[in-house]
Amino acid sequence: QVQLVESGGGVVRPGRSLRLSCAASEFTFNNFAMHWVRQAPGKGLEWVAVVSTDGSKTYHADSVKGRFTISRDNSKNTLYLQMNSLRVEDTAVYYCASLGHWGQGTLVIVSS
Amino acid sequence: DIQMTQSPSSLSASVGDRVTITCQASHDVRKFLNWFQQKPGKAPKLLIYDASNVDTGVPSRFSGSGSGTYFTFTINSLQPEDIGTYYCLQYENLPTFGPGTKVAIK
Repeated sequence: QVQLVESGGGVVRPGRSLRLSCAASEFTFNNFAMHWVRQAPGKGLEWVAVVSTDGSKTYHADSVKGRFTISRDNSKNTLYLQMNSLRVEDTAVYYCASLGHWGQGTLVIVSS
Repeated sequence: DIQMTQSPSSLSASVGDRVTITCQASHDVRKFLNWFQQKPGKAPKLLIYDASNVDTGVPSRFSGSGSGTYFTFTINSLQPEDIGTYYCLQYENLPTFGPGTKVAIK
């Protein structure tokens, strides 16, 4: 059974940083490009970032470009999202996904 | 960026009804389109990939069709457990989701 387990969410002040992790198991992690997708409370799904299978290529949504960085460590079967300069509008549940498989999400609340 | 539109934004249908949702892309996405179901408080679940392929374990009442810029998603006989929000996603380019269609039982 494929498992993607996110961690690292929490409550943070605007302007601060947070790092999300996503641990994969029962999953050929290094065969898949991996994504972060977020969902603000009561809103739809928003794609955030993708990293290629070997980590050499990354792309970020305009809304987070320059503030968030996606990365992966294939030796640890783990995906990361470094989030800097957080804004109130970054408040959301953050999911890691291969798009076929999804984690359960981790909640990030940015509030003063 | 490729923009996705979905219609309707919500619908209410009776058990056993046939339900159809459409998704339009602002540019040609060929067949790189998925459909997801999301229930409240849960992660999205993949139902259809590459526009028309039903994912493993997904009931056969779910189907998808289309290519290019116009896609349809159909539930052939709506069941109570099908309530939730349905999203299309294009991945021909950087991924973009449609705004979602909320499905309720009448």
